[in-house]
Amino acid sequence: GAVVSQHPSRVICKSGTSVKIECRSLDFQATTMFWYRQFPKQSLMLMATSNEGSKATYEQGVEKDKFLINHASLTLSTLTVTSAHPEDSSFYICSASSGSLNEQYFGPGTRLTVT
Amino acid sequence: RKEVEQDPGPFNVPEGATVAFNCTYSNSASQSFFWYRQDCRKEPKLLMSVYSSGNEDGRFTAQLNRASQYISLLIRDSKLSDSATYLCVVRGFYGGSQGNLIFGKGTKLSVKP
Repeated sequence: GAVVSQHPSRVICKSGTSVKIECRSLDFQATTMFWYRQFPKQSLMLMATSNEGSKATYEQGVEKDKFLINHASLTLSTLTVTSAHPEDSSFYICSASSGSLNEQYFGPGTRLTVT
Repeated sequence: RKEVEQDPGPFNVPEGATVAFNCTYSNSASQSFFWYRQDCRKEPKLLMSVYSSGNEDGRFTAQLNRASQYISLLIRDSKLSDSATYLCVVRGFYGGSQGNLIFGKGTKLSVKP
């Protein structure tokens, strides 16, 4: 099946620093990538959708200047959390789709802890 | 009303038990439905899609009732390895177009020996 990787799997950073998370589709071309966030005991919440070569579409309430998304190629999307604060600590998960919206493949997630 | 609501759980059952999860969704125009499984501190993984006529995959049976906007998942002969959180997922449908996946909070299942 389709494989999506994320890097890093876990990161601890200090408040005020920026963190970049990479999401790669390893064996297929991902025309669309999705970024989710999940707080403990909460559901996955979609943050933004990105299509290769175009600007990401952010969900309501998600600050686009704080969560920078780049989808420069069909196999790579990055999420940069700028000026991270403790409340940004969460589990960030990406998923990728090859075009048929009925199939999304999830990455293993990145656990971010901001101290 | 939340877009996707599930039994709060947790469900604690012995091995071999049959367990059923329920889910309701608010957007009557939704057309795609799924059950995902999420292990602790891991990403969700697709368990099965849910079709209008109901579908079965081994010990797992999914049902859809469009009139009631209700989805169910039945697990028979539960195994220890079934312990996980089960997420009801609906693809939104807005303005005549398919939207993004909407996840329920999940129901935690713990299967005990």
